[in-house]
Amino acid sequence: GQNIDQPTEMTATEGAIVQINCTYQTSGFNGLFWYQQHAGEAPTFLSYNVLDGLEEKGRFSSFLSRSKGYSYLLLKELQMKDSASYLCAVAEDSWGKFQFGAGTQVVVTP
Amino acid sequence: AAGVIQSPRHLIKEKRETATLKCYPIPRHDTVYWYQQGPGQDPQFLISFYEKMQSDKGSIPDRFSAQQFSDYHSELNMSSLELGDSALYFCASSFSGNNMNTEAFFGQGTRLTVV
Repeated sequence: GQNIDQPTEMTATEGAIVQINCTYQTSGFNGLFWYQQHAGEAPTFLSYNVLDGLEEKGRFSSFLSRSKGYSYLLLKELQMKDSASYLCAVAEDSWGKFQFGAGTQVVVTP
Repeated sequence: AAGVIQSPRHLIKEKRETATLKCYPIPRHDTVYWYQQGPGQDPQFLISFYEKMQSDKGSIPDRFSAQQFSDYHSELNMSSLELGDSALYFCASSFSGNNMNTEAFFGQGTRLTVV
């Protein structure tokens, strides 16, 4: 079956670093995507990995190990506006048909 | 830059009524995806269209139907509405042609409330 696991909630202080882990077991794999979602708003694309390794985009980095079915999203220099839910999503074929994880609620404290 | 436009942003319907949600993809995007997100839930894939043809189907109830028109906009038609249909409905678009892929961009969503 399809299974995407990520922690429910993480708390960190402003300026710190937080790493959100995601493990997955899906029938197909064509990329792993990370989206940020504020409550009641649209998911916003952050980063994706198709091949193993680290992708860096400003304060956000994402890592993928396909053999381990594992990814993480690294958020550096946390800001209050980073308080949101972070969704790990696996694209089994096209890059819009996703299996989403339940999301990790990140709470940034002063 | 132009984004995915969804209308209406909010919709209140009574049980057993019909609702139509519209999605206008980013210009030159040829693929549209529909998602349903219940309160506190992750988005669930409903259906997708590529070049006006249905390309994939997820957990979409038989009471729902959708299509993509010649201008690439898409409509999700929902009939015999139930209380459990109350959710945020997102549309996303991407470009999937010419053996290329772009990431999917989501619209702001339509919040449907069934009373």
